[in-house]
Amino acid sequence: DSGVTQTPKHLITATGQRVTLRCSPRSGDLSVYWYQQSLDQGLQFLIQYYNGEERAKGNILERFSAQQFPDLHSELNLSSLELGDSALYFCASSVGGGGPETQYFGPGTRLLVL
Amino acid sequence: DAKTTQPNSMESNEEEPVHLPCNHSTISGTDYIHWYRQLPSQGPEYVIHGLTSNVNNRMASLAIAEDRKSSTLILHRATLRDAAVYYCILQRWDNTGKLIFGQGTTLQVKP
Repeated sequence: DSGVTQTPKHLITATGQRVTLRCSPRSGDLSVYWYQQSLDQGLQFLIQYYNGEERAKGNILERFSAQQFPDLHSELNLSSLELGDSALYFCASSVGGGGPETQYFGPGTRLLVL
Repeated sequence: DAKTTQPNSMESNEEEPVHLPCNHSTISGTDYIHWYRQLPSQGPEYVIHGLTSNVNNRMASLAIAEDRKSSTLILHRATLRDAAVYYCILQRWDNTGKLIFGQGTTLQVKP
């Protein structure tokens, strides 16, 4: 158990819909990262928040957005969903905002868009 | 971001050592070498990291070439539980912690 929790575990929805994925970091960790894992693209970095502020952005689509709240939990919002958005979404956390820190990954949310 | 090259797959026998290679010829001086692994149906898990010197921890050892253009993750005694995808990642020392994953090496461990 990494100490990072993600809800829900599974999500099935239809194209065009909007969903919210939630992540609670390990106690004391200030950074939250979101990653997407699909069969064709592998594991891709989406976005990082550090202490409530966006710190780094990766291959995140404009239809996706994220935020980190004062209690440090984070939400990833996916809108206008397409079939290709079906994937595993992982959240990870680390103590600080950068450098060679260990990231602790949650169990993931499996999203299926029908 | 600097790129890493790993074999797609490797096989090992249980209780034998495993050497997982990684090439990173375009590594820069501020790049750390990280290894993560992903067990089936789980999120990635940190294994080890290093900068220039060889590193050991309870899970594995990391051997880094003198020119830093390659590294090897060593599992001293493979168990069935070590069957996973192993990712070698270069992480730049900057004000972000992002990890850029490649395709990784799928390790099979035979009993």
